Amino acid sequence: GENVEQHPSTLSVQEGDSAVIKCTYSDSASNYFPWYKQELGKGPQLIIDIRSNVGEKKDQRIAVTLNKTAKHFSLHITETQPEDSAVYFCAASKGNAGNMLTFGGGTRLMVKP
Amino acid sequence: DVKVTQSSRYLVKRTGEKVFLECVQDMDHENMFWYRQDPGLGLRLIYFSYDVKMKEKGDIPEGYSVSREKKERFSLILESASTNQTSMYLCASSWGSNYNEQFFGPGTRLTVL
Repeated sequence: GENVEQHPSTLSVQEGDSAVIKCTYSDSASNYFPWYKQELGKGPQLIIDIRSNVGEKKDQRIAVTLNKTAKHFSLHITETQPEDSAVYFCAASKGNAGNMLTFGGGTRLMVKP
Repeated sequence: DVKVTQSSRYLVKRTGEKVFLECVQDMDHENMFWYRQDPGLGLRLIYFSYDVKMKEKGDIPEGYSVSREKKERFSLILESASTNQTSMYLCASSWGSNYNEQFFGPGTRLTVL
């Protein structure tokens, strides 16, 4: 089955700096790659996603890039703010019925004011 | 606004007890999921359901069962709780198939003594 590796497990940045979180996946048939953000005491929430027919997607301060050949994708957050502090999860899916996602291990991002 | 609610935020049970975790969604979603979340392991799928009375095993179904008698409600059952089932349990729901966002509840932190 699919295996998703996520790095780093923790990341500390200064407010205003950029943060990058990287994920690799094992199943070349995977074609959907969402990113979820989990704030303290809450369930994860989708922040951005990308499909395999697109190499990059941007939404304000966040962007995701996908390299299908290397089977890795990354989340980029620019101009980080304290409210970006959370745990971020990448995931991969083959887009089958029910959209079963395989999640990475998570990255705890801390933005220091 | 989609809402996924879980019956308890915190639960403490003893080894061998039968445990029920309830999840309700209010958006008429076809798909419902149960995950467990452990540090460093991300979210791992226990079971999912794509319709009433339908269920599919996820990656770690051992020791768990599920019930979906009504579209809006998905229950996770631990037939005989064990200490290695101490974890955070997250319920999610989504509509349709392929590429659709999963909406998560706030989670139930279960401790088995």
